[in-house]
Amino acid sequence: QKEVEQNSGPLSVPEGAIASLNCTYSDRGSQSFFWYRQYSGKSPELIMSIYSNGDKEDGRFTAQLNKASQYVSLLIRDSQPSDSATYLCAVTLGTSYGKLTFGQGTILTVHP
Amino acid sequence: DAGVTQSPTHLIKTRGQHVTLRCSPISGHKSVSWYQQVLGQGPQFIFQYYEKEERGRGNFPDRFSARQFPNYSSELNVNALLLGDSALYLCASSSRQSGRYSYEQYFGPGTRLTVT
Repeated sequence: QKEVEQNSGPLSVPEGAIASLNCTYSDRGSQSFFWYRQYSGKSPELIMSIYSNGDKEDGRFTAQLNKASQYVSLLIRDSQPSDSATYLCAVTLGTSYGKLTFGQGTILTVHP
Repeated sequence: DAGVTQSPTHLIKTRGQHVTLRCSPISGHKSVSWYQQVLGQGPQFIFQYYEKEERGRGNFPDRFSARQFPNYSSELNVNALLLGDSALYLCASSSRQSGRYSYEQYFGPGTRLTVT
């Protein structure tokens, strides 16, 4: 079992729709959870961080964390073609505070 | 404020050579982490330095080494390059690590290393 798993996609949604990206992790002691966006040929850009169970909203983005189910998700409302990118889920596992463990990323395509 | 900077942007080396990659963190950030990203995969953790001390090491061979300087900039060194070392090398900085939570890590633009 991989430490952090994401569906590789690609996930294709129409413009204006809600895109839902999912991530599961293996270590129940994980404390910190992040979503990064990576455009082709560029470096990852931090878009959301979440540390507590529940929802966290920032503009069109909502991160959801359920530690009991070891599950974190990212919702993108009113998806735009500019949201087309690879979305990386990253987790700090157990006591490895400074080490991010990434999933393989989900490719999102938003078509007009 | 300037973000994380890395140099060089691109690099082409031959098998067996040595390479040094450089990173300057965001002003005020004391923690620097290095990651390797190969095409189609998420970044893989190599090292973390905080306050000039190594705080974590990933599953990479001893050919990989790093250090952090008094101004918190950092170097990643790779000896005896292999074809498989071709990747995007990313540096990330964060303000601190405290207690049980990791502070957010911000990535630089990366160094694209090609080994031929």
